[in-house]
Amino acid sequence: GAGVSQSPRYKVAKRGQDVALRCDPISGHVSLFWYQQALGQGPEFLTYFQNEAQLDKSGLPSDRFFAERPEGSVSTLKIQRTQQEDSAVYLCASSLAGGFTGELFFGEGSRLTVL
Amino acid sequence: KQEVTQIPAALSVPEGENLVLNCSFTDSAIYNLQWFRQDPGKGLTSLLLIQSSQREQTSGRLNASLDKSSGRSTLYIAASQPGDSATYLCAVPPGDNFNKFYFGSGTKLNVKP
Repeated sequence: GAGVSQSPRYKVAKRGQDVALRCDPISGHVSLFWYQQALGQGPEFLTYFQNEAQLDKSGLPSDRFFAERPEGSVSTLKIQRTQQEDSAVYLCASSLAGGFTGELFFGEGSRLTVL
Repeated sequence: KQEVTQIPAALSVPEGENLVLNCSFTDSAIYNLQWFRQDPGKGLTSLLLIQSSQREQTSGRLNASLDKSSGRSTLYIAASQPGDSATYLCAVPPGDNFNKFYFGSGTKLNVKP
């Protein structure tokens, strides 16, 4: 596609519900990143994929957070038993070559509000 | 852990002014540094990517410089326009993990007509 596409753009969940956020990266991009952005802050790293391999998940805040990219293209970030502190914008980025030399391209994000 | 600081947090200038945004980072062993723009409710748009071997990078009215040894980068915007109003963020991967970008909190720029 022309850019990184994320869905849904907005999600309201009741505390305790499970949510799934989808990212469709730029076609052919090897690397895919998930970031969490709280209001008024810069994005914080959650996890990184190279093709289908999840090479770094050190930023996932708890075991309620799970990400996958089974075919090395579309990725899903799943949050189980959502809590109010999970409210944030979840940004997906892709890169042709990864962080070493590659420029990051971001989607518009999925804004999650947990009531 | 890489710590990234951006100063000032907010800046309001009249149209036409030249301005400088600052980014500092604690781990100077970096591979590259990237500047982004974020409009309200939107994702991040890449402005400039500077590789560690470069000292500066230019795109139109934007010029970004990098001084690895002092852990600093500046984004210079010439002849600012109201359309430049946005939040500007810098991002840096640490030297031991070039796939884990750390972001500053951004500088919120308002250019008044």
